[in-house]
Amino acid sequence: GQQLNQSPQSMFIQEGEDVSMNCTSSSIFNTWLWYKQDPGEGPVLLIALYKAGELTSNGRLTAQFGITRKDSFLNISASIPSDVGIYFCAGQFTGTASKLTFGTGTRLQVTL
Amino acid sequence: NAGVTQTPKFQVLKTGQSMTLQCAQDMNHEYMSWYRQDPGMGLRLIHYSVGAGITDQGEVPNGYNVSRSTTEDFPLRLLSAAPSQTSVYFCASSSYSNQPQHFGDGTRLSIL
Repeated sequence: GQQLNQSPQSMFIQEGEDVSMNCTSSSIFNTWLWYKQDPGEGPVLLIALYKAGELTSNGRLTAQFGITRKDSFLNISASIPSDVGIYFCAGQFTGTASKLTFGTGTRLQVTL
Repeated sequence: NAGVTQTPKFQVLKTGQSMTLQCAQDMNHEYMSWYRQDPGMGLRLIHYSVGAGITDQGEVPNGYNVSRSTTEDFPLRLLSAAPSQTSVYFCASSSYSNQPQHFGDGTRLSIL
């Protein structure tokens, strides 16, 4: 089965720095989703993208749906300690809400 | 409004034992799914359902059974547990086909 390629796998950054991560696929998706997972909890939806080229923000988070529909990007500005966690991208085909294909995750650690 | 509720949160089984992981949602969502998460990997789809009475296989269905007799509940059954099924299991639901899924907090299952 396919898993999406997500990079970087992990990153250590200092508080206040900006963060960028991306996700690529061999398949075209109609929807891209970004989730964050804290230890011991389930993934929580951060941003949903529905159109190629779409740029969407949620507070300090900004995500983009790639023009080719095979990639997506997530940026976090001015990171804070509570940004620590694992970030997952997920792709979805139209009409298949039950069937997400996930990336392998980016583990983010923020130092003071 | 509890969202997606999974029980139990932790479970240890012996090889060959059977068990049912429970998932319930109180949002009247039609679409429900089960995923497993292994170390260093994203979530992989086990089984999914698009409504009561309708289920289908995902990427890694072997060793698992599901049924959907009501909209609210979507239990996952392990008929004869194997050590390879040691994992964290997540249930998710969404309201209709193009809506993002919302996840429960997971069941951590260890099989000895």
